[in-house]
Amino acid sequence: EAGVTQSPTHLIKTRGQQATLRCSPISGHTSVYWYQQALGLGLQFLLWYDEGEERNRGNFPPRFSGRQFPNYSSELNVNALELEDSALYLCASSAGGAQETQYFGPGTRLLVL
Amino acid sequence: EDQVTQSPEALRLQEGESSSLNCSYTVSGLRGLFWYRQDPGKGPEFLFTLYSAGEEKEKERLKATLTKKESFLHITAPKPEDSATYLCAVQTNYGGATNKLIFGTGTLLAVQP
Repeated sequence: EAGVTQSPTHLIKTRGQQATLRCSPISGHTSVYWYQQALGLGLQFLLWYDEGEERNRGNFPPRFSGRQFPNYSSELNVNALELEDSALYLCASSAGGAQETQYFGPGTRLLVL
Repeated sequence: EDQVTQSPEALRLQEGESSSLNCSYTVSGLRGLFWYRQDPGKGPEFLFTLYSAGEEKEKERLKATLTKKESFLHITAPKPEDSATYLCAVQTNYGGATNKLIFGTGTLLAVQP
């Protein structure tokens, strides 16, 4: 069974640009989560999507946004990139309902110059 | 404020030298506690979920336990391949269904042959 996949693996942008990161959940999973892991910091919750709706967001500015598509894949958009946005962005999926365990993808390493 | 603290920050063991990692938490209501393993540059790999005090789970050389205030990850006779960062995360009941995971900053384990 394929796990969570993310693309691209690496992304280099300059300050002020926009970045788009993509995630495909485990087959049968309806919930997708996004986390940011900055160097030296723990994983910080960004967004949760379930059945195409945004269910919860973490303490991040509105320039972090995303969406979930009908096939449950998801996209994270970061507008007006800042240097401190450089981090590993991790996507996780879960089956929803009583199955709370989140399974993570390999991440997208974003570098903002 | 919900908080997860892991100790020690780093641990160096000789192969075969058993030890324990600690995860203490302060949350409004615990829905579940999760342990993950993360190798450098990769996404976290799920290990265990614990839901109630007194619960224990085992997998190979790892055993996770849970009390009302903390969780321990016991590593018995570790091998060099157990070297990784071990992350603890909690899910809370407070504030409705958020599903987000609150992570500690991890314990970096190095097992020397």
